[in-house]
Amino acid sequence: KAGVTQTPRYLIKTRGQQVTLSCSPISGHRSVSWYQQTPGQGLQFLFEYFSETQRNKGNFPGRFSGRQFSNSRSEMNVSTLELGDSALYLCASSGRHYPSGANVLTFGAGSRLTVL
Amino acid sequence: KQEVTQIPAALSVPEGENLVLNCSFTDSAIYNLQWFRQDPGKGLTSLLLIQSSQREQTSGRLNASLDKSSGRSTLYIAASQPGDSATYLCAVRGNAGNMLTFGGGTRLMVKP
Repeated sequence: KAGVTQTPRYLIKTRGQQVTLSCSPISGHRSVSWYQQTPGQGLQFLFEYFSETQRNKGNFPGRFSGRQFSNSRSEMNVSTLELGDSALYLCASSGRHYPSGANVLTFGAGSRLTVL
Repeated sequence: KQEVTQIPAALSVPEGENLVLNCSFTDSAIYNLQWFRQDPGKGLTSLLLIQSSQREQTSGRLNASLDKSSGRSTLYIAASQPGDSATYLCAVRGNAGNMLTFGGGTRLMVKP
């Protein structure tokens, strides 16, 4: 079973630009969550999508948005980039783990964004 | 609002030592608790997941315990090896959705 795939893995942008990151979940998983990791703030929850609907949202400004498609793939967009948006953006998909039945989150390798 | 704290923030030990990493959380109404490992510049690898109804989970040299009432979890690593060097993160999941709240992590260095 393929894991969670995030693209691109690395990207460099300048202030004021916008960026779109993509996440393909594990086949069969319908929930996708996004997290931002920075040295100062650690790992923080951005938002979660389930069946194309945003189910939870973290405490981030409106410049951060996301969406999920019918095939469960998700994208997140950051507009008007600021230097502080430089971070590792991690995506996780969630589904039942067999045989335990537990709902387990599996993370992708992340997209490292540098804003200059 | 859930808050997760990990102590110590960094730890350096000689190879072969047994060690304990600590995680505490403020809201005991959790669905599960997960321990992750993160290597520099990489994503998160799940190590152990403990459901709220469980007390502990074991995988190889790793053992994680959960005391929900006191808001604590420990990750025990037996016979540490240099390959265990990484940052270890504790995360709790509440009862609504799949949102995880992470601790700040413990950066572990195991010296040969």
